Amino acid sequence: DVKVTQSSRYLVKRTGEKVFLECVQDMDHENMFWYRQDPGLGLRLIYFSYDVKMKEKGDIPEGYSVSREKKERFSLILESASTNQTSMYLCASSLQIHIAGNTIYFGEGSWLTVV
Amino acid sequence: SQQGEEDPQALSIQEGENATMNCSYKTSINNLQWYRQNSGRGLVHLILIRSNEREKHSGRLRVTLDTSKKSSSLLITASRAADTASYFCATVTGGYQKVTFGTGTKLQVIP
Repeated sequence: DVKVTQSSRYLVKRTGEKVFLECVQDMDHENMFWYRQDPGLGLRLIYFSYDVKMKEKGDIPEGYSVSREKKERFSLILESASTNQTSMYLCASSLQIHIAGNTIYFGEGSWLTVV
Repeated sequence: SQQGEEDPQALSIQEGENATMNCSYKTSINNLQWYRQNSGRGLVHLILIRSNEREKHSGRLRVTLDTSKKSSSLLITASRAADTASYFCATVTGGYQKVTFGTGTKLQVIP
């Protein structure tokens, strides 16, 4: 079974801190994604990566950056955390099959509170 | 704005009844998928329907896709209390398989 592991389940950080959210997948997937989930807004795509060192902005990239130095690891970085970034963050991965379609596998989520 | 929009936002039914959720989207898709999320957890894949398919079944789940209307529906038959969860549609677009989710339908099945 595919496993997507998010290193921290619950974090509390101070405003202005630099925050790293780490995600590792064990199935050699090309695609990796970071979403944030807020009540009433569903899942919003922050960034995704389709290969090592490649990244694409999603719908809400402002205030975030990402790093993909190795295929299995995709990090989300909050350069200077703000209270409006308090949210649940979900990492996901999938194979990059252009034709057949593929399942997206999610981690369990990281609850970030910025105070 | 969201690629997918689910309707209704919330649904409450009695155990044994059928539950229908709808998803509308805006651009051409490679495929459309439905996911389930239990409270406070990650999402779990339920079913995928390709853009050239019109209907698909998996157990008690039935998904339809109408690409001319840019809409999909998920039907859960003979619902159970354990089906209580949020359900999301996700559209997959473009060569890099970008995945965009809707806002979700919160389903409550009352025993």
